[in-house]
Amino acid sequence: GQNIDQPTEMTATEGAIVQINCTYQTSGFNGLFWYQQHAGEAPTFLSYNVLDGLEEKGRFSSFLSRSKGYSYLLLKELQMKDSASYLCAVRWERNDMRFGAGTRLTVKP
Amino acid sequence: DVKVTQSSRYLVKRTGEKVFLECVQDMDHENMFWYRQDPGLGLRLIYFSYDVKMKEKGDIPEGYSVSREKKERFSLILESASTNQTSMYLCASSLYPRDHDNEQFFGPGTRLTVL
Repeated sequence: GQNIDQPTEMTATEGAIVQINCTYQTSGFNGLFWYQQHAGEAPTFLSYNVLDGLEEKGRFSSFLSRSKGYSYLLLKELQMKDSASYLCAVRWERNDMRFGAGTRLTVKP
Repeated sequence: DVKVTQSSRYLVKRTGEKVFLECVQDMDHENMFWYRQDPGLGLRLIYFSYDVKMKEKGDIPEGYSVSREKKERFSLILESASTNQTSMYLCASSLYPRDHDNEQFFGPGTRLTVL
């Protein structure tokens, strides 16, 4: 199987930091993506990891540990507009992609 | 900018009808994908294609078929629509090379209701 697990919901306060975790089965792994999806809209790309370590992009960072089958998305200085679903997606050797069910983040004032 | 378009934003069909969902991308991408998205289940891969006339089954191909006659167009076909196929359908495309950060670009989605 290619199970991808992430928490269903999270809540955080404006200005704070939140970490969204994602675990996946490691066999055939060929890259991990994070997408953001606002309600009623299509997903949009946030970050990509294929090697171990941290990738930073402005307020967003993504971390990968291939041996542990683990990634997280870190959002700093949260803003109200960051309220959205965050989707962890894994690309496999066949070049197909599978998505986790998504984590719905609510940012409160 | 990559543009992925889908033929309809909203569609209402009756049980047993044949339904065609069309997707077109304008960036010469090799890969194209069809997903459905349902609350609590996330995006589930129905079919994908990495070249013209090539197709691969995803996790939930039953009740669906696809067609890729031209590189820019990937069609999803519901041979005989059923109520459990009521869902949001999302098309995506990406470049083929596997060792690059070739993210998927998504269309706006088609919300299909089968009565």
